[in-house]
Amino acid sequence: AQSVTQLDSQVPVFEEAPVELRCNYSSSVSVYLFWYVQYPNQGLQLLLKYLSGSTLVESINGFEAEFNKSQTSFHLRKPSVHISDTAEYFCAVRANTDKLIFGTGTRLQVFP
Amino acid sequence: DAGVIQSPRHEVTEMGQEVTLRCKPISGHNSLFWYRQTMMRGLELLIYFNNNVPIDDSGMPEDRFSAKMPNASFSTLKIQPSEPRDSAVYFCASSPAVRVVYGYTFGSGTRLTVV
Repeated sequence: AQSVTQLDSQVPVFEEAPVELRCNYSSSVSVYLFWYVQYPNQGLQLLLKYLSGSTLVESINGFEAEFNKSQTSFHLRKPSVHISDTAEYFCAVRANTDKLIFGTGTRLQVFP
Repeated sequence: DAGVIQSPRHEVTEMGQEVTLRCKPISGHNSLFWYRQTMMRGLELLIYFNNNVPIDDSGMPEDRFSAKMPNASFSTLKIQPSEPRDSAVYFCASSPAVRVVYGYTFGSGTRLTVV
């Protein structure tokens, strides 16, 4: 069975600082990995995904994530955050089943 | 495309009443998923359908919960009778296919409060 662990429930940072949101997964087979973002009172939106190929994937708003198979990680990073990045971020894994398994989420709070 | 549409956005009901949540997936998406989000448990997959057929309902909490998908453009999640512990945000999501590696498109959710 697959599982996802997001160790940090909350990450406070100041605006323009770098940030890393950690995600580790467990699976005995190849996986597809996703990051979703949830802004207040909204549904989840796909931020980026790793399917195959280059281990570094990027989103249109400056986030990037790197698939590390040896460490079974898919950490999300941004070199300089904005106030508008304040949201809940969910890592998710999908293996050879039909289900997308979500982590418990990390609340990113950006302060001015 | 209007995206995944859920109704109502908010529902407040008394314990014991029947509650029906509705979802319209994106046209052409063959898979539909119902999730529940709470502070305690995070996001839980309740049930999912492929081509209108329920595939896995192992996440449905108990017999009080039921879900249907009578056609490709509509699904319902019903709770009867409702209890305060059912209070949560319920999300519907759709995907072009189950085994293809697409992400899901989520609706805006229904916030259910059972008093």
